[in-house]
Amino acid sequence: GAVVSQHPSRVICKSGTSVKIECRSLDFQATTMFWYRQFPKQSLMLMATSNEGSKATYEQGVEKDKFLINHASLTLSTLTVTSAHPEDSSFYICSARPSEGGADTQYFGPGTRLTVL
Amino acid sequence: GQNIDQPTEMTATEGAIVQINCTYQTSGFNGLFWYQQHAGEAPTFLSYNVLDGLEEKGRFSSFLSRSKGYSYLLLKELQMKDSASYLCAVRNDASGTYKYIFGTGTRLKVLA
Repeated sequence: GAVVSQHPSRVICKSGTSVKIECRSLDFQATTMFWYRQFPKQSLMLMATSNEGSKATYEQGVEKDKFLINHASLTLSTLTVTSAHPEDSSFYICSARPSEGGADTQYFGPGTRLTVL
Repeated sequence: GQNIDQPTEMTATEGAIVQINCTYQTSGFNGLFWYQQHAGEAPTFLSYNVLDGLEEKGRFSSFLSRSKGYSYLLLKELQMKDSASYLCAVRNDASGTYKYIFGTGTRLKVLA
């Protein structure tokens, strides 16, 4: 089956530092990946759509300069939370949509729990 | 605008049947998905409807009525491990690319 990995699974950082989260599709190519954020007991909120080789499309209210997305290859997208603050603490989940075959769904990574002190 | 509504919480008994409803308003509808999410974990895919009607997959079935903007997830022969959040998500392509919008999720508690 389609597997998506995320690294790291957990990260604790000091306020003001930057954190990079990697999302990889392990056994398929993904032209499109999605980044979500989920606060406790809430649903997933789409932050941005990451397209290989082009700029990410950000949802309204998401600061593109704060959440930098790079989709450099068909199997890797990265999200960098710059100058993180405690209110950025959340569960960040990526998903990948296969470029071909099985494109009717998206496959989620295991998530990254970010805690900013 | 886009709006997806689900009940916040539901409780059912082991062995019973439960129906989780989802209503939506969206432009560029291109499919409705149901996901299961256990606490602290990522969602896992359960079912997908793009045409009206019922899709059955083992103990899980999902129904869609596009004219009513309505879907439900039916879980049969409930097991304790089914205690989880169930997320309804609508895929739309109004912006020219696929986007998935999630409902708030329904927390299901299965009691012995």
